[in-house]
Amino acid sequence: DGGITQSPKYLFRKEGQNVTLSCEQNLNHDAMYWYRQDPGQGLRLIYYSQIVNDFQKGDIAEGYSVSREKKESFPLTVTSAQKNPTAFYLCATSFQMNTEAFFGQGTRLTVV
Amino acid sequence: DAKTTQPPSMDCAEGRAANLPCNHSTISGNEYVYWYRQIHSQGPQYIIHGLKNNETNEMASLIITEDRKSSTLILPHATLRDTAVYYCIVSLLIQGAQKLVFGQGTRLTINP
Repeated sequence: DGGITQSPKYLFRKEGQNVTLSCEQNLNHDAMYWYRQDPGQGLRLIYYSQIVNDFQKGDIAEGYSVSREKKESFPLTVTSAQKNPTAFYLCATSFQMNTEAFFGQGTRLTVV
Repeated sequence: DAKTTQPPSMDCAEGRAANLPCNHSTISGNEYVYWYRQIHSQGPQYIIHGLKNNETNEMASLIITEDRKSSTLILPHATLRDTAVYYCIVSLLIQGAQKLVFGQGTRLTINP
């Protein structure tokens, strides 16, 4: 939304395969975040990154990995170790401390 | 992390003011109150945030009690497009990044 691009919008994968979700931003925001949302639930934080080459685990990091090699990009890899990967994944960014977060439109991942 | 409590659902007539309550009794002094809304299958949209004082912008007003243990989001003239899930969030700063802890929110339905 407004400079955050998540692709693809829908993604299907076979069980046991790793899959990488893309998140790109042109807002020049320092902080980036990945959230997961299950049906009827709120969002849960997976990973976040304040600056390039640094990231921290959120509340449900197990089975996921991230990288932050560029300020504009924060890809999320859903590994085969994630037991229930089917979910709606949302990427967000924020400029600095205590400013609002902007969300992408999400990627809906289905693992069959 | 400070948690929030919201009613699971609310209804409001079109054109009337929608008042959405939120309890955050464990909020600490440096935590902000944020409101976001999410329309089905989209990324959350920022509405407003505040620390101690009441806030108003083009979308809504935020009323925070003096003890900061609760707040109310006011949509002054609700329209059908305001139908969404509204999340009240207490924002925690971790290493300069903003950690938003989402609950299940209030599903607001605007009726014609």
